[in-house]
Amino acid sequence: DAKTTQPTSMDCAEGRAANLPCNHSTISGNEYVYWYRQIHSQGPQYIIHGLKNNETNEMASLIITEDRKSSTLILPHATLRDTAVYYCIAIGSSNTGKLIFGQGTTLQVKP
Amino acid sequence: EAGVTQSPTHLIKTRGQQATLRCSPISGHTSVYWYQQALGLGLQFLLWYDEGEERNRGNFPPRFSGRQFPNYSSELNVNALELEDSALYLCASSPRLIGTGGTDTQYFGPGTRLTVL
Repeated sequence: DAKTTQPTSMDCAEGRAANLPCNHSTISGNEYVYWYRQIHSQGPQYIIHGLKNNETNEMASLIITEDRKSSTLILPHATLRDTAVYYCIAIGSSNTGKLIFGQGTTLQVKP
Repeated sequence: EAGVTQSPTHLIKTRGQQATLRCSPISGHTSVYWYQQALGLGLQFLLWYDEGEERNRGNFPPRFSGRQFPNYSSELNVNALELEDSALYLCASSPRLIGTGGTDTQYFGPGTRLTVL
């Protein structure tokens, strides 16, 4: 599975959109981009995933560039409860069952 | 729909003892995954079970073992506990992979905090 690179930390004002970038320049054609988040000492929470097209659900939007080398997770109206570590993971269909969590981005939402 | 459940929430053991952690997947999910997250570190893949079989194993010693039951619930056993086994142990489940394209989303439970004294 392709390596992903994320900024170590980001701040966002409460009520504003949080835009979390992820670089996955070596992603292959059959690899999906997944986003999870982990609030302190809890299990990771699935947010959203996509292959080529932009995706939106009740939690967030995922924007994937046309060349698929990078993506952005958008939380449209961040709240204090969105403070967490956000992980971007590239997952292929090789079916090893293993998710490789990198360092992620620590998002601090401030009042 | 109930999520992944894990028990116990907390477990305290002493060095050399054995620990047993339990996981119940989301209804309809056949795959169960185990991860270890030591304090301040990332999640490390431990084991993957599907349909009662071990499908993949991470880089952990043999004293980490597990099994999956016919109802798809799973146990993780850690023998001869060492201090460095203190960690949050996370279980995830996913539905059966359909076809050869795509991948199945793993949904995580709340974890079991194991403390080895």
